[in-house]
Amino acid sequence: ETGVTQTPRHLVMGMTNKKSLKCEQHLGHNAMYWYKQSAKKPLELMFVYNFKEQTENNSVPSRFSPECPNSSHLFLHLHTLQPEDSALYLCASSQGGAGLTGPDTQYFGPGTRLTVL
Amino acid sequence: GQSLEQPSEVTAVEGAIVQINCTYQTSGFYGLSWYQQHDGGAPTFLSYNGLDGLEETGRFSSFLSRSDSYGYLLLQELQMKDSASYFCAVRDSWGKLQFGAGTQVVVTP
Repeated sequence: ETGVTQTPRHLVMGMTNKKSLKCEQHLGHNAMYWYKQSAKKPLELMFVYNFKEQTENNSVPSRFSPECPNSSHLFLHLHTLQPEDSALYLCASSQGGAGLTGPDTQYFGPGTRLTVL
Repeated sequence: GQSLEQPSEVTAVEGAIVQINCTYQTSGFYGLSWYQQHDGGAPTFLSYNGLDGLEETGRFSSFLSRSDSYGYLLLQELQMKDSASYFCAVRDSWGKLQFGAGTQVVVTP
């Protein structure tokens, strides 16, 4: 049990669909992250939220739209995706904040396996 | 910008020792972390080095040389359950974490 849950675990969608991925953390953390993981590639950081404020948007196409209503929940809204967007989407959380020392360990959810047809 | 290099795959037998090297280039280095990910699973934190030297956690150890921009993860007394991908990740001075492409460790009987 990592304390970070993601739903759905698997998602198949057409290019014209709109869907949302949900992430919830039960660790009392202040920072939440979305990553994309494609086969044989590094984990790609997409978005970072600290205390509900977006602090990083790593040049992600606008067809991906994040939402962070509170420190425990993070959404990724998807619309008009492309087949190359098929990947594992991982959510993570960490203590976050400014002035922290140490690794600021990230705790990952199990991911959503997305297939775009 | 940042870049990290690590081998794509390492194969070893049970009981052996495996060393996974990681070299990095970054504009502002704060620390080096290692994560493990089993097939179909989530990455989990293994180890962190903020200062030069060796950190030991059971069968796993991690080393950092800041002057060489180099670190490694050492897996000792390999077990079948250690078959997984291992990622090094650099934390920069602004707190951002960048992951390497991962090293697939295959443990054979």
